[in-house]
Amino acid sequence: AQKITQTQPGMFVQEKEAVTLDCTYDTSDQSYGLFWYKQPSSGEMIFLIYQGSYDEQNATEGRYSLNFQKARKSANLVISASQLGDSAMYFCAMRVQAQKLVFGQGTRLTINP
Amino acid sequence: GAVVSQHPSRVICKSGTSVKIECRSLDFQATTMFWYRQFPKQSLMLMATSNEGSKATYEQGVEKDKFLINHASLTLSTLTVTSAHPEDSSFYICSRGRPNSPLHFGNGTRLTVT
Repeated sequence: AQKITQTQPGMFVQEKEAVTLDCTYDTSDQSYGLFWYKQPSSGEMIFLIYQGSYDEQNATEGRYSLNFQKARKSANLVISASQLGDSAMYFCAMRVQAQKLVFGQGTRLTINP
Repeated sequence: GAVVSQHPSRVICKSGTSVKIECRSLDFQATTMFWYRQFPKQSLMLMATSNEGSKATYEQGVEKDKFLINHASLTLSTLTVTSAHPEDSSFYICSRGRPNSPLHFGNGTRLTVT
């Protein structure tokens, strides 16, 4: 069965520092996709970054990068130069068959001024 | 701009009534859309897969007679919570995917049943 584990319920970081949010996954599939979403208090799910299982390079999108270590089955999100607006819940997710997503429990990130 | 529109964003209803939530794919004819539920301080859990022109596929433990899903067109899926009870109060959010593209979500519907 596919599973996503996020072991950090909450993270507190000073503004402008970099932060790493952990995500490990479990799947027996060879082809899969890993996503990170941001959920502010308003509830919307904002897509941040995607990594395909066959992608050899780590994905990057602006201040977001994904540290993909396939052998360790980890897909950590790195946010560089954090901003106050980065405070939100962050979910790691894996795409399983037919576009379904399995989500981790989430990490609440708080950026302190 | 938004590619998935969900309406209403917030609804309060009385116990025993039914509530319909709409989810529209704005930029793509989606044969498949997904409905998730999120209880406070919890993660998103997939409820069902909405299939255009055929019956929805429900995840284990989700009552199909309580959560009616209709996907009558390639751009619209609806979720109807029938005979709602306070325990159905939750955040409901839809998504749609397309090949080689991230899954996009609607803005969600916060349902409160009094």
